Amino acid sequence: GESVGLHLPTLSVQEGDNSIINCAYSNSASDYFIWYKQESGKGPQFIIDIRSNMDKRQGQRVTVLLNKTVKHLSLQIAATQPGDSAVYFCAENIEAAGNKLTFGGGTRVLVKP
Amino acid sequence: DSGVTQTPKHLITATGQRVTLRCSPRSGDLSVYWYQQSLDQGLQFLIQYYNGEERAKGNILERFSAQQFPDLHSELNLSSLELGDSALYFCASSSSPGSPLHFGNGTRLTVT
Repeated sequence: GESVGLHLPTLSVQEGDNSIINCAYSNSASDYFIWYKQESGKGPQFIIDIRSNMDKRQGQRVTVLLNKTVKHLSLQIAATQPGDSAVYFCAENIEAAGNKLTFGGGTRVLVKP
Repeated sequence: DSGVTQTPKHLITATGQRVTLRCSPRSGDLSVYWYQQSLDQGLQFLIQYYNGEERAKGNILERFSAQQFPDLHSELNLSSLELGDSALYFCASSSSPGSPLHFGNGTRLTVT
């Protein structure tokens, strides 16, 4: 498969445990945030999004938390499975700046059986 | 399957050459985005089109250009290629600016 990137922070998780992936964003004007999952050899896949007027949003096995005070975003994955092994990216969007989605550097998640 | 189609999947070419990457967005999506992903720089935004018109530009080199056609497919043209242009090039589409992007599986460009 394709290697997504070198020198990525890596989170090793035991299968069945919960994972928490963190992301610090830079622009206080960002109004929309998205988490993407990228598996080897594939494009980023949409997981969940959150608007800046919310601080929490839940999906299937995933929860995104937004703390605008400290410009921090997290993705929680419940009961991590081997198929969750991938690189996870947060992305921020500023509508006033033309909706240009800016990606963070990514975190590699390795699920141990 | 995101519904975004990119061709070719792999491209190997020599320095100084010119290549064209093609993207077909999801059915009904009017916005197309191009991103470059290299090993040392992550996902970098290049350019965005909406319904045929350029909407936003990122760190796109002058040697690179793109367009979106009336049928909404898009092409990214890379010319005077250099070794450092070797990367994955992703196309994404969305129904409107500000809605989630859906990515294709990319074109792997190798410049030798």
